[in-house]
Parts: sequence; C-alpha cells; structure tokens
Amino acid sequence: DGGITQSPKYLFRKEGQNVTLSCEQNLNHDAMYWYRQDPGQGLRLIYYSQIVNDFQKGDIAEGYSVSREKKESFPLTVTSAQKNPTAFYLCASSMGRRNSPLHFGNGTRLTVT
Amino acid sequence: AQKVTQAQTEISVVEKEDVTLDCVYETRDTTYYLFWYKQPPSGELVFLIRRNSFDEQNEISGRYSWNFQKSTSSFNFTITASQVVDSAVYFCALSEAGGSSNTGKLIFGQGTTLQVKP
Repeated sequence: DGGITQSPKYLFRKEGQNVTLSCEQNLNHDAMYWYRQDPGQGLRLIYYSQIVNDFQKGDIAEGYSVSREKKESFPLTVTSAQKNPTAFYLCASSMGRRNSPLHFGNGTRLTVT
Repeated sequence: AQKVTQAQTEISVVEKEDVTLDCVYETRDTTYYLFWYKQPPSGELVFLIRRNSFDEQNEISGRYSWNFQKSTSSFNFTITASQVVDSAVYFCALSEAGGSSNTGKLIFGQGTTLQVKP
C-alpha cells in the first residue's frame, strides 16, 4: 500500500540538542511538506519541496532545516535555535498542484525538556 | 490575504444528533479549492473532500454533506446522525493564492474538535 511513513511516533530530547524527524513516501509524489500543529493554532507550514534538491521556507521556518536528496525522503531537523520545539509534526506529500489534496503521515510528537 | 476561520473550537453532541462544522474563508482569487480533513486520535489527517470555486453544488457522501456558498465565503460540513467514531478534529483548508507559483500548499483553519458521546 502506498503511503507516508513518519518515524519515530514519539521523540524526547534535551534542550539544546538537534533532532531529525524522518519522512518517507512511496506515492511517487513530487511535492512534500512539513507542518507543525499546536493546540488551537491549526497547521502551520514549516518547509516544502516541489522537486528533488530544492526546497522553500514556509511560514515558520526559523530554527528548522530540511533536505531533499531523494524524491521519497524529506527529513526535518529541529535545531537548538528553535525556541519552542515541543509540538506535533506532520509530513505530507502531493502532486504539487493547487487542486491536489495533501496526503499525511501519522505524525511525530516531539517533546523537548 | 488568504485565511480560513473555523470559529467553533470544540463541539460536543450526543450520538445520533446532527452537527454542522462551520468554515469561512478569505481569498481574492476567482479560482480556488477548498478541502476538509479529519484527524482522528491516531493523528493522521484524512482527506474527506475537495471542492473547486466553480462548483457550488452541495455534496453528499453517506452521512456527510457539504454546503459551499460563495456569497458568504463558507464551506460548511454537516454530519447527520453522528456516531462515536466521528469524534475527531476536523480541518478546513484553502488552496494557496494563484499565480506563477503553484506549489500545492494549503492554508488550514484552526480546526474544530468534535466529541460525540454515546
């Protein structure tokens, strides 16, 4: 079955440490996205990529970094510069057109203490 | 600017009641797309429906129905005879502004948490 896999489901880190969240898709989608979800704030876009080796900042990119070396993979690194990293992170992919629905992974819940 | 507003933060109903989730959007585009997603406790967002701005016909799928009204910039979602399994967070979303950059990004509302009690 095609889909998006995010790992791990839960992640705990100490403040000051960088952490990388994994996202893999086998839907052959060109575009991939990272969203952050906080209670009462909906989903906010962190980074997105329309094609391999290219990506753009979303609305809240500060303190995050990404790479897109393969079509199937779009890992997100939460750096120590992110002031409030504890959140639920969702990865998505799509055909990349305006009428394309996003397909989401199960998410990673990151807790930084 | 584009914006999606879901004014209802939480709704609680008893099983078999009908419930409507409101969604109001703002956009300057004449062509745009609206979406509804369901997020069950497992966390994954599940795509429910897409509607384009030229199609104002209401959509019905089983117990789910959607009412799109351009005149009021609303795209409301009704669940008929709600069930406990409908308990989830529901998000309304709007396609990004048109133009040269078609990236497939969506602008999401804040979400409405629906609790259906037995």
